[in-house]
Amino acid sequence: EAGVTQFPSHSVIEKGQTVTLRCDPISGHDNLYWYRRVMGKEIKFLLHFVKESKQDESGMPNNRFLAERTGGTYSTLKVQPAELEDSGVYFCASSQDYGGFYEQYFGPGTRLTVT
Amino acid sequence: LAKTTQPISMDSYEGQEVNITCSHNNIATNDYITWYQQFPSQGPRFIIQGYKTKVTNEVASLFIPADRKSSTLSLPRVSLSDTAVYYCLVGSSYNQGGKLIFGQGTELSVKP
Repeated sequence: EAGVTQFPSHSVIEKGQTVTLRCDPISGHDNLYWYRRVMGKEIKFLLHFVKESKQDESGMPNNRFLAERTGGTYSTLKVQPAELEDSGVYFCASSQDYGGFYEQYFGPGTRLTVT
Repeated sequence: LAKTTQPISMDSYEGQEVNITCSHNNIATNDYITWYQQFPSQGPRFIIQGYKTKVTNEVASLFIPADRKSSTLSLPRVSLSDTAVYYCLVGSSYNQGGKLIFGQGTELSVKP
């Protein structure tokens, strides 16, 4: 069974540019999550999709971040315009069900560097 | 939400048993205790989860005392490949929905 995949693995962009990160969850997983770790900080939750609906987007830092999950399959996270403080590693995770706090399967992450 | 406290780092040698303790004094009735492992350049990976007493799987054991205010992850006979960061997470979908709340984790270094 394929795991969670993320693309690209690494992105270097200039301040003010736009970047789109993609996440493909494990097939059949309705729940998809985005997290990120900025330099020296802990991994922080960004948002949670259940199928194509945003269940919880309380962790999104500001309106420069836009997440979508059209059709309830893969998801994209767009940062526009990117700022220096957006640099970090963005993780995607998926799970079958969060009732009972089931385990989440993480992708390898996308390392974003904003210069 | 329950706050967790665990050692920032630990050192061990191959073949030893490693015990990492996590404190969570304000754990709620609905909360589970979950441990994740993260290798460099990878995402976190679920290791084990428990509610009370002892849980064991092929990777680790999790010991939870009756008051549930702490928990101990036990890794038997570690190898170099167990060098990673270990996160203790406490929570439940009832209290926080689906999101996981990570602390700083414990960086375990296994030496030959």
